[in-house]
Amino acid sequence: GAGVSQSPRYKVAKRGQDVALRCDPISGHVSLFWYQQALGQGPEFLTYFQNEAQLDKSGLPSDRFFAERPEGSVSTLKIQRTQQEDSAVYLCASSYQVGSGSRYEQFFGPGTRLTVL
Amino acid sequence: KDQVFQPSTVASSEGAVVEIFCNHSVSNAYNFFWYLHFPGCAPRLLVKGSKPSQQGRYNMTYERFSSSLLILQVREADAAVYYCACPGILTGGGNKLTFGTGTQLKVEL
Repeated sequence: GAGVSQSPRYKVAKRGQDVALRCDPISGHVSLFWYQQALGQGPEFLTYFQNEAQLDKSGLPSDRFFAERPEGSVSTLKIQRTQQEDSAVYLCASSYQVGSGSRYEQFFGPGTRLTVL
Repeated sequence: KDQVFQPSTVASSEGAVVEIFCNHSVSNAYNFFWYLHFPGCAPRLLVKGSKPSQQGRYNMTYERFSSSLLILQVREADAAVYYCACPGILTGGGNKLTFGTGTQLKVEL
């Protein structure tokens, strides 16, 4: 069974370059999340989709960060004019449910490690 | 600010029981989620809920603002980072997870 997949697994960018990170959630999962994990820290919430609708983007650190999920499945996180402080692991997670009932679970991908030189 | 607190490092001997403690200040959070994370791999959910529960060698204690993960019969292969997380409400009814900074488990042979 396929889990959440992310590509590329590693990305090196020069400062000022644009990057695009892809997430393939588990088929049929309604909710999709992006998290940013800096070195030595826990994942931090960036943005949330319910199907194709981006319902919360309160965690995006600046307007250089943009996410989309146009058909309610695959999602792309784009970072424009990358800066060194953008270096982190970007994790994607998906969930079948919307709410947080007893069966709620977020399934994570392996992440994309972005290094900005 | 919503925060989750856990120790940075815990050490255990092989075969022992190890406890990792977590507490939070996340608004309206009633559940805890415990994840296992090996670097370069996807974080994996071990145990979760709003009451004490067990999944294999993993036990979770529960109080309103704190939880402990207990790992029974610790093995060398358990050396990894363990994250505690609590759900917060998002616009549209979803739940983001607020994570602690992770606890590195060191296993002494």
